Amino acid sequence: QSALTQPASVSGSPGQSITISCTGTSSDIGGYNYVSWYQQHPGKAPKLMIYGVSNRPSGVSNRFSGSKSGNTASLTISGLQAEDEADYYCSSYTVSSTYVFGTGTTVTVL
Amino acid sequence: QVQLVQSGAEVKKPGASVKVSCKASGYTFTAYAMHWVRQAPGQRLEWVGWINAGNGNTKYSQRFQGRLTITRDTSASTAYMELSSLRSEDTAVYYCARYQGGGGFDIWGQGTMVTVSS
Repeated sequence: QSALTQPASVSGSPGQSITISCTGTSSDIGGYNYVSWYQQHPGKAPKLMIYGVSNRPSGVSNRFSGSKSGNTASLTISGLQAEDEADYYCSSYTVSSTYVFGTGTTVTVL
Repeated sequence: QVQLVQSGAEVKKPGASVKVSCKASGYTFTAYAMHWVRQAPGQRLEWVGWINAGNGNTKYSQRFQGRLTITRDTSASTAYMELSSLRSEDTAVYYCARYQGGGGFDIWGQGTMVTVSS
């Protein structure tokens, strides 16, 4: 199972909105609504930000939103803040009853 | 509070085995699946495998077939991941993570660094 494809880096100024894409296939993202997104700061464990494509866990800011179209999922961060600077990973359930993560995206706040 | 506490760092020689534990507290252990994810230094997250903590059923990534065993002890609310025939490429932080549904892993352990070096 190949990793899902994400851009290596995305940047934006404080207050702006950015979108991170996550491209898979019909065997993973395109076939199931089990896409999740994680934020990871250096040296820390990942934190769940979005699950089930577009659902936010309790406690996660509503500045984070998720969507999916075909084989591509997206995470949008609106009102970008300095604390949003981190690595972000997407994940999806697959046709093999396994899970796969994305290649990861580093978000930089300019 | 709900938390997962993992065992400490390990240093192993190539060809050896390692067993990492993940103790759950604050919730009903058998009601949730437990997954394992690893991250090599400076690299992306990689899904390793999971166990249904209720019935013990497992599913592993094809990459680890034959080398990986995930088990659980319900009386101790603890999951275990054992990886054998270790090689240098297995050097990574290994995380356990609770599966909450909808494809999301909502609670993560603090990570266990496994170093494979001669």
